[in-house]
Formats: sequence, C-alpha cells, structure tokens
Amino acid sequence: DQQVKQNSPSLSVQEGRISILNCDYTNSMFDYFLWYKKYPAEGPTFLISISSIKDKNEDGRFTVFLNKSAKHLSLHIVPSQPGDSAVYFCAASWGSARQLTFGSGTQLTVLP
Amino acid sequence: EPEVTQTPSHQVTQMGQEVILRCVPISNHLYFYWYRQILGQKVEFLVSFYNNEISEKSEIFDDQFSVERPDGSNFTLKIRSTKLEDSAMYFCASMGGGRSGELFFGEGSRLTVL
Repeated sequence: DQQVKQNSPSLSVQEGRISILNCDYTNSMFDYFLWYKKYPAEGPTFLISISSIKDKNEDGRFTVFLNKSAKHLSLHIVPSQPGDSAVYFCAASWGSARQLTFGSGTQLTVLP
Repeated sequence: EPEVTQTPSHQVTQMGQEVILRCVPISNHLYFYWYRQILGQKVEFLVSFYNNEISEKSEIFDDQFSVERPDGSNFTLKIRSTKLEDSAMYFCASMGGGRSGELFFGEGSRLTVL
C-alpha cells in the first residue's frame, strides 16, 4: 500500500544546478506535505512543508510545489551544493494524530 | 536548539528478549511518535501518542509492542519478545501542540536482534 511514492531512487546533479525531486500520492485525505533530509545513521531532518491550501512554499534555496489535481509534489533545490547530498523523503499527513506516511526516498548526489 | 534525544544509540539483543527504547521529546511538545526503518526500506509509522494514550497505531504495532510515558519527560517503546525481523532503526518523533504537522525526529536507536 504505497500511498506516497518516490519513483526515482537516485538523482545526480552538478553543483550549482537545480535539483528536482518528485513525489506522488494517492490518498486524497492528505492535507499536509513535508520533505525531510536524512543522512545515514541519523534521524530525518525537517526541511520544508506545504499545506494543501497552497501550491508553493519557498524557503531560501528550497521550494516545494504542490499540484493537487495531479496528486504530485516536487522539491526544487537551487543552487544545489555538495552538502545537499543525502536521502530526501517526501511525507504526507492528515487527521488528528498527524502521523506521517513516508515515501521510499531519493538519494541525491551533488557533484562538485 | 531543542531536540529529541534517544537512548540507547545501539542495542544488541537475543531473540525472545525484552527491549526498551527510550526517548526524551522536545519539552513543550504534546504529540509523540515511534517510527522504524528496516535497512534499505522506507520509514514506517508504528504508533502515535497524545494525552497519555495511543491515538493511532499501524498494523506493525501488534501485541508485542507497547508505549509508555512514565513521567513528564520520557517516552518509551517496549518490545516484549523480540524477533529477528524487529532489527531496524527506531526513531522517536514529537510535534508541538499547535499541530503544525512538522514532526521532529531523534537520531534513532539501532536494534539488532540475533
């Protein structure tokens, strides 16, 4: 039951270029979407989020876009830096408990 | 900056033994969670806890699992009789009372069941 899907297990980008990570979801009840960054042997670190009432949220180099009709969201990182290399997880939540459903992650590698 | 802390960072146990994983959530947070990540797989929800009771739990969270908030600061996950397939990273998370939707995670406890 993959309610949140990240179809690209890996992505390589040159330093200074844009990184675009994609995520699709199937559950129409989701009303909040988040991106987390994770290094090996560490916990996920919150990056940026977006409510379902918006279609864009920007924070510095990070922008999340939400297309509700397509049930699709994306994370743009520009310019990409080598320190951005990590696994990026898309997550979604709904309901009173707000537990997150995670995608399978995308390993981003930013090449110097 | 406030953070979620977890102990132990790594625990090795024999199959059938009881294990308790401990978490200290961010002090003014009201919602608490346990997640796990089996090596190479996605982060999976186990249980959420609010107002001293379980609010949601997944199919993974069977009778072998229990959670407790024994005092005002700790939040524990107990596995009564560990199985080989319980080997995973276990992450504790907490969220503020405003229910912003942003969960803050600890560094994780690696459990190895032999």
